[in-house]
Amino acid sequence: DTGVSQDPRHKITKRGQNVTFRCDPISEHNRLYWYRQTLGQGPEFLTYFQNEAQLEKSRLLSDRFSAERPKGSFSTLEIQRTEQGDSAMYLCASSSSTGSYEQYFGPGTRLTVT
Amino acid sequence: DAKTTQPTSMDCAEGRAANLPCNHSTISGNEYVYWYRQIHSQGPQYIIHGLKNNETNEMASLIITEDRKSSTLILPHATLRDTAVYYCIVSRRGVDGGATNKLIFGTGTLLAVQP
Repeated sequence: DTGVSQDPRHKITKRGQNVTFRCDPISEHNRLYWYRQTLGQGPEFLTYFQNEAQLEKSRLLSDRFSAERPKGSFSTLEIQRTEQGDSAMYLCASSSSTGSYEQYFGPGTRLTVT
Repeated sequence: DAKTTQPTSMDCAEGRAANLPCNHSTISGNEYVYWYRQIHSQGPQYIIHGLKNNETNEMASLIITEDRKSSTLILPHATLRDTAVYYCIVSRRGVDGGATNKLIFGTGTLLAVQP
């Protein structure tokens, strides 16, 4: 069990640039979730996929954010025209849709927008 | 999903039991209580969940009151490695009866285990 992995672990970018993060879930998990966490707060749900279908998106996910999971395995989260307010930890989690109740989280990608 | 209320912080002596309370007075009948924790600079980690009955696993015990309006997470013998933010989350099961589709985190309780 290699766990959920995320890449990169840290990203520093200038305001207005586009960034893309990758998440590789646990291989047998068909659900994949994205969360965002700012300093001193708990994670906030952004979106989730079941296989390749994006089933729910939070209102926090503005038009500048897009997530994909084209083959139902890894997922990418892209932020276009980054703003300083996008600085946060972006967490990915995966789970099975039946049986197990746990979401397994990756280590996160810390984004700093300067 | 129901809201939860937790103390901002708690201290516990190493080797003693840590009892972390959570109020969820608006919980509905089909909502589960989940506990996760987040050690500094890591992603959250699942601990335990329950519906009505008390639950125990290798990490912790979960005590849910009979009216289900509050619960307590018990770490029986806290160690320094248990220092973390502990989140109590109330959420429905998915429509297919399986995993919940999202977790709504509050700000949690920072548990500091003292040597």
